[in-house]
Amino acid sequence: GQNIDQPTEMTATEGAIVQINCTYQTSGFNGLFWYQQHAGEAPTFLSYNVLDGLEEKGRFSSFLSRSKGYSYLLLKELQMKDSASYLCAVSGNNRLAFGKGNQVVVIP
Amino acid sequence: DVKVTQSSRYLVKRTGEKVFLECVQDMDHENMFWYRQDPGLGLRLIYFSYDVKMKEKGDIPEGYSVSREKKERFSLILESASTNQTSMYLCASSRGQGRGYTFGSGTRLTVV
Repeated sequence: GQNIDQPTEMTATEGAIVQINCTYQTSGFNGLFWYQQHAGEAPTFLSYNVLDGLEEKGRFSSFLSRSKGYSYLLLKELQMKDSASYLCAVSGNNRLAFGKGNQVVVIP
Repeated sequence: DVKVTQSSRYLVKRTGEKVFLECVQDMDHENMFWYRQDPGLGLRLIYFSYDVKMKEKGDIPEGYSVSREKKERFSLILESASTNQTSMYLCASSRGQGRGYTFGSGTRLTVV
């Protein structure tokens, strides 16, 4: 089975940097995804890591350590529109299992 | 613009009714999935399918069934709706293992 753990909520100031952590345990691993979900909307793809290391994509970066079962999503230069839930999801055993999501609230 | 389309955005049904939630994708994806999302519980997998007429149980299949008669369409069926099935239902599709999912906009179902 799969067990995915994320903190539930954090607040950060516009322009700041925020790091969202995710730890996981899985019997099979084909990669780790990060999704963004605004209230009342569907999740949208942010990043994918299958090898150890940092993947950078504009203001968003994602890191993976397979040996530690650990990933983080880094959001730089926070904007008000970044207020959303960020979902960590692990691909394995022919399915994608999601964490409960981390609600990020950006304040002026 | 490729997409996953869910037939209803909001739905209200009575306890005991048979409910059909429809999902259609235009990306020729092999894999399709049904999740429900509840506050504090996140997204939980109900059923998924790798091919036409093929289905696999997810983590919470009880009270649900599915149908995949055509590659582009994956239906979720609530045989006898109950109030604890009030939830947001999300359909998703993907091309293969290890690939990202594309989600539909969701159906918010209320069972009264």
